[in-house]
Amino acid sequence: DIQMTQSPSSLSASVGDRVTITCRASQSISIYLNWYQQKPGKAPKLLIFAASSLQSGVPPRFSGSGSGTDFTLTISTLQPEDFATYYCQQSYSTPPYNFGQGTKVEIK
Amino acid sequence: QVQLQESGPGLVKPSETLSLTCTVSGDSVITGLYYWSWIRQSPGKGLEWIGYIYYSGSTQYNPSLKSRITMSVDTSKNQFSLNLSSVTAADTAVYYCARLGAQGPRFKWFDPWGQGTLVTVSS
Repeated sequence: DIQMTQSPSSLSASVGDRVTITCRASQSISIYLNWYQQKPGKAPKLLIFAASSLQSGVPPRFSGSGSGTDFTLTISTLQPEDFATYYCQQSYSTPPYNFGQGTKVEIK
Repeated sequence: QVQLQESGPGLVKPSETLSLTCTVSGDSVITGLYYWSWIRQSPGKGLEWIGYIYYSGSTQYNPSLKSRITMSVDTSKNQFSLNLSSVTAADTAVYYCARLGAQGPRFKWFDPWGQGTLVTVSS
């Protein structure tokens, strides 16, 4: 199985900050990497697919980059509604469709 | 707008079978463009993919759960279902159904998701 490791596990940031979350795969997965946002008590929501493609309706302050084993999710200017937990997920080698352990973005 | 809604018992006894149904609205399970999936999240923990079913009935399961999973699809009701047998407390989780979209054999992502349903395994 391909293991997905996110860092950091949590971070504190202020509204207006630039936030970067990293996801590393245990082997190369090309660009078969997706990002999700989950708010407390809610289902995850797709933000980015294929490493850098923005899902329809997602604000452009969210962006994704990377290929191979190293990927980043960037929030350019953090908004109050962005405080949530973010997960990466690989679709290169399946089953299973493994997720990262999550990164919780908290208010500083 | 595509919506998915999970339903089923919120409490299951140890060693029994967990059964959940996902009702799809705004799309058809026989579209052929998507795979219909189950994902779970244990309290305070991350996300674990359980498996998916295609409208034809073909399935793919997480190897870690494969021996205990059965999935089915009811095209007449636009629903798909999950059975997880021999449950233990470790199977206590929020269970989500989700549509797995695909562009080619490897570009696959889960969107949208149902709201989730908490299933507790306890006597």
